[in-house]
Amino acid sequence: GAGVSQSPSNKVTEKGKDVELRCDPISGHTALYWYRQSLGQGLEFLIYFQGNSAPDKSGLPSDRFSAERTGGSVSTLTIQRTQQEDSAVYLCASSLGSASNTQYFGPGTRLTVL
Amino acid sequence: QQQVKQSPQSLIVQKGGISIINCAYENTAFDYFPWYQQFPGKGPALLIAIRPDVSEKKEGRFTISFNKSAKQFSLHIMDSQPGDSATYFCAASLQRNTPLVFGKGTRLSVIA
Repeated sequence: GAGVSQSPSNKVTEKGKDVELRCDPISGHTALYWYRQSLGQGLEFLIYFQGNSAPDKSGLPSDRFSAERTGGSVSTLTIQRTQQEDSAVYLCASSLGSASNTQYFGPGTRLTVL
Repeated sequence: QQQVKQSPQSLIVQKGGISIINCAYENTAFDYFPWYQQFPGKGPALLIAIRPDVSEKKEGRFTISFNKSAKQFSLHIMDSQPGDSATYFCAASLQRNTPLVFGKGTRLSVIA
């Protein structure tokens, strides 16, 4: 079956603009994660959704970042008033939830803030 | 505070050689330790994972060695091939189905 998909693959925006990044998890996966990968850095956890539970937002770096997951499937990560330091690859992952630890990653969205 | 420290940052190995990447963690509550492989322009893909109740796990040419008392684990790639050239990340999590804490990655180059 299809893996995790993300769109757009690349996004260039101007400082101060809002951006929305989309993630389509693997069908049937109840857990969804957003991570950020900056140049030369590891992956940094942002937010985590599990089923109908309240999301774990503990990794969001500022209140300019938010995410939602509609219908337990597609998720959108929104960054308001983008800053140059927001430039990074944003990765989405999904997993089966309590049945498995394995997180399957999408190809990421490369965000460049000019 | 970096919870998972990974070394080396980069590694060059001859084809057929052994690649060794090390990680150390701080939180003794971690109980799941995966390694991910990432090629340029792609998302990370799970390579192999271990739980702290075993000291070693082998899958093909890839082996994880785990030392609970030292809070260290390592990835060994036997008979390294040019196709293994990628960035490798170690990670850890607290329990099933929680966010992963990643090391900063090791860029491996296998040269012929």
